[in-house]
Amino acid sequence: ELKVEQNPLFLSMQEGKNYTIYCNYSTTSDRLYWYRQDPGKSLESLFVLLSNGAVKQEGRLMASLDTKARLSTLHITAAVHDLSATYFCAVPFVLGSRLTFGEGTQLTVNP
Amino acid sequence: EAGVAQSPRYKIIEKRQSVAFWCNPISGHATLYWYQQILGQGPKLLIQFQNNGVVDDSQLPKDRFSAERLKGVDSTLKIQPAKLEDSAVYLCASSGLQGRNSPLHFGNGTRLTVT
Repeated sequence: ELKVEQNPLFLSMQEGKNYTIYCNYSTTSDRLYWYRQDPGKSLESLFVLLSNGAVKQEGRLMASLDTKARLSTLHITAAVHDLSATYFCAVPFVLGSRLTFGEGTQLTVNP
Repeated sequence: EAGVAQSPRYKIIEKRQSVAFWCNPISGHATLYWYQQILGQGPKLLIQFQNNGVVDDSQLPKDRFSAERLKGVDSTLKIQPAKLEDSAVYLCASSGLQGRNSPLHFGNGTRLTVT
């Protein structure tokens, strides 16, 4: 069974600070997805990482994938309040497209 | 492009009652998914359709949950009879225009409360 673990599960940080969210998964995969969810809202796709060593950046967020270590990171640079949300990583099951999601990291950025 | 549409937005029922949710995916998306998201957890796949055929329903509690996607477009998910532990947000998602690597596009979900 594919397990996807995120840490930390809760993160409270101050504006302007940097931090990294980690996503570990238990079986081989060549792809990984990051999603954002605001309270009471649906999931919004942030990044699709398609190969080992893939790095993608959008604004203050940067995601990377190390398929050998089965690890992805989501780095937050100079956090702002608007980044407050829950962030999920998701890994496809075997070669299909069924995604297994992590438990989510609830990020709160304080002024 | 219009997003994934779901209805109703909220539903409150008593245990043992039945309920149905509706989803209209993004136009042209062949793959449709139903996910269950319990409060504080990540979404869990219930069923995946490719056009109107079922690809994966291994995590669907088939004794009480059923889903169909007639004509390969809209889909309905039904729970009969509902249990307290079915309280969750039911998310519909679709994908397909960019192949197997395309991200899933989620609807706003239906929040179900079973009392």
